[in-house]
Amino acid sequence: GDSVTQMEGPVTLSEEAFLTINCTYTATGYPSLFWYVQYPGEGLQLLLKATKADDKGSNKGFEATYRKETTSFHLEKGSVQVSDSAVYFCALSEGSGGYNKLIFGAGTRLAVHP
Amino acid sequence: EPEVTQTPSHQVTQMGQEVILRCVPISNHLYFYWYRQILGQKVEFLVSFYNNEISEKSEIFDDQFSVERPDGSNFTLKIRSTKLEDSAMYFCASRPLLPTEEQYFGPGTRLTVT
Repeated sequence: GDSVTQMEGPVTLSEEAFLTINCTYTATGYPSLFWYVQYPGEGLQLLLKATKADDKGSNKGFEATYRKETTSFHLEKGSVQVSDSAVYFCALSEGSGGYNKLIFGAGTRLAVHP
Repeated sequence: EPEVTQTPSHQVTQMGQEVILRCVPISNHLYFYWYRQILGQKVEFLVSFYNNEISEKSEIFDDQFSVERPDGSNFTLKIRSTKLEDSAMYFCASRPLLPTEEQYFGPGTRLTVT
């Protein structure tokens, strides 16, 4: 079945550093791809998405580009803030005809220090 | 902004007891989901529900699990006889009709089985 692989954390950065969290996927077909974020004590929030190859999703300074040739959807941010500290999940949508489910990666914990 | 809500936030129960986890999806959404996250592990799909019936379930969702939409607003997950390994965070999610495939998650219920 479909699967998502993320780089292991934790990732520890200083404020204003550049962030990359790697995500690769295995899927039959061309699924939609997502990044969700989980802040401490909260649920999963959609951060950004891309629905087809070469699409770039962006939100709150974060970006990710759907790369079909490398089956990747790496998350990047040019300058992280302490408030970005959270767990980040890469996910793909599996299914068709409206009956989809999300397949998640293991999550990557990001800690940003002042 | 509308959001998915879940109650309780934390449930402690003894092994063998029945528990019901409750969710109120976003009001105009038509697809409903349950996921779980065992501590330190990835978020896993349990079940999807549409038009008052299960559309897909995972291997985890055995005969001990059931879902119900008892009225126009609530969506519940019942575990008939809890086991220690059911201890996890349970997330409810909902989604409107296509074309969007993104799912909106609740804050989760932490279930602890002792």
